[in-house]
Amino acid sequence: ETGVTQTPRHLVMGMTNKKSLKCEQHLGHNAMYWYKQSAKKPLELMFVYSLEERVENNSVPSRFSPECPNSSHLFLHLHTLQPEDSALYLCASSQDLALPSHFGNGTRLTVT
Amino acid sequence: AQSVTQLDSQVPVFEEAPVELRCNYSSSVSVYLFWYVQYPNQGLQLLLKYLSGSTLVKGINGFEAEFNKSQTSFHLRKPSVHISDTAEYFCAVSGASMEYGNKLVFGAGTILRVKS
Repeated sequence: ETGVTQTPRHLVMGMTNKKSLKCEQHLGHNAMYWYKQSAKKPLELMFVYSLEERVENNSVPSRFSPECPNSSHLFLHLHTLQPEDSALYLCASSQDLALPSHFGNGTRLTVT
Repeated sequence: AQSVTQLDSQVPVFEEAPVELRCNYSSSVSVYLFWYVQYPNQGLQLLLKYLSGSTLVKGINGFEAEFNKSQTSFHLRKPSVHISDTAEYFCAVSGASMEYGNKLVFGAGTILRVKS
């Protein structure tokens, strides 16, 4: 148990669907991150939130929409995705904007 | 900007043998260096990190890494591996200041396969 919980673990969605990924951390951290892990590619930082404010948006397409309602929860809303968006999406947290120290187990997303 | 190269995509090794996973980086500023491990169907776990001080860093599970500034390397080593060490290992770098604190750049990963 890493202290960072992601749901669902697996998600299959069509290109016209709307779905959301959820991340919850129980560590009292105040920064949270979304990463994308594609096959045979390095992890890509997507978004960073600090104290519920977005501080980094790493040129991510608008079909990915993050939401951070409080310091313990982070969502990634998905709509009109493309097959190339299929990947493992990892959530992470840290205290202050230090390196992300705790990762969740990820959501394996498949876009059909 | 920083970049990371992990020279081997896969490393097969027999149980109880030593292993070295190679990592080279490039950066125009001082760096912090990290190794993460990802077991199947799990997220990443921090193995060890170099921030400053001794260039030999010891981590969890018997792993260690040595920072070599002249060769811009941060290779990961373990003297005797176990079957349970089978996983993917990621080297990562960030600039050595709070300005870069959250901007980790990851390598493509090395899959360590330990055989009995």
